[in-house]
Amino acid sequence: GAVVSQHPSRVICKSGTSVKIECRSLDFQATTMFWYRQFPKKSLMLMATSNEGSKATYEQGVEKDKFLINHASLTLSTLTVTSAHPEDSSFYICSARGGPGEVNTQYFGPGTRLTVL
Amino acid sequence: QKEVEQDPGPLSVPEGAIVSLNCTYSNSAFQYFMWYRQYSRKGPELLMYTYSSGNKEDGRFTAQVDKSSKYISLFIRDSQPSDSATYLCAMQITGGGNKLTFGTGTQLKVEL
Repeated sequence: GAVVSQHPSRVICKSGTSVKIECRSLDFQATTMFWYRQFPKKSLMLMATSNEGSKATYEQGVEKDKFLINHASLTLSTLTVTSAHPEDSSFYICSARGGPGEVNTQYFGPGTRLTVL
Repeated sequence: QKEVEQDPGPLSVPEGAIVSLNCTYSNSAFQYFMWYRQYSRKGPELLMYTYSSGNKEDGRFTAQVDKSSKYISLFIRDSQPSDSATYLCAMQITGGGNKLTFGTGTQLKVEL
């Protein structure tokens, strides 16, 4: 149990386009989902926290109009990178809380590698 | 000073060795401590979860938390080449919105 999927696993897009990344909890209902960004050989940087049916809470320095988060159901959250630029190229990882483990455990998706040309 | 400090490595050990991975932290409010394993280009996988001080064992893995020293450890016994990965410590405070604070990760390589 506690499987989290992400789609797509890899995306290459042109500068100025928007990209949507999906995060799904496959076998449990996620009360909270988190979106992280990870640069090469660096740790995970929390971008935002989303609860089902409410607006996401963004971390300081993260542009909410650029990184749109929607948590429409207990099993799906989406991150849309709007008007992407090369500096947005990164590894984006989601996690979900609410699985079978300890109450505070987060289960991570496999990540989405975004390359903006 | 970072809230969580972790030596990035790389740490290279021979197969069968005992591996010790460590993190120190500055925020005494941290109550939950986790270790994640991350293979290259993959998402982190939860290995160990501990609450407050003490030890926890799961197979070849042992997690230790010493809150008085603000120091946590992960021990891997009989290390295998498949253990080669980056190991991230993570911590959380009670009532902190479930946000995790991660270390930078230690890259481990277990050689044949």
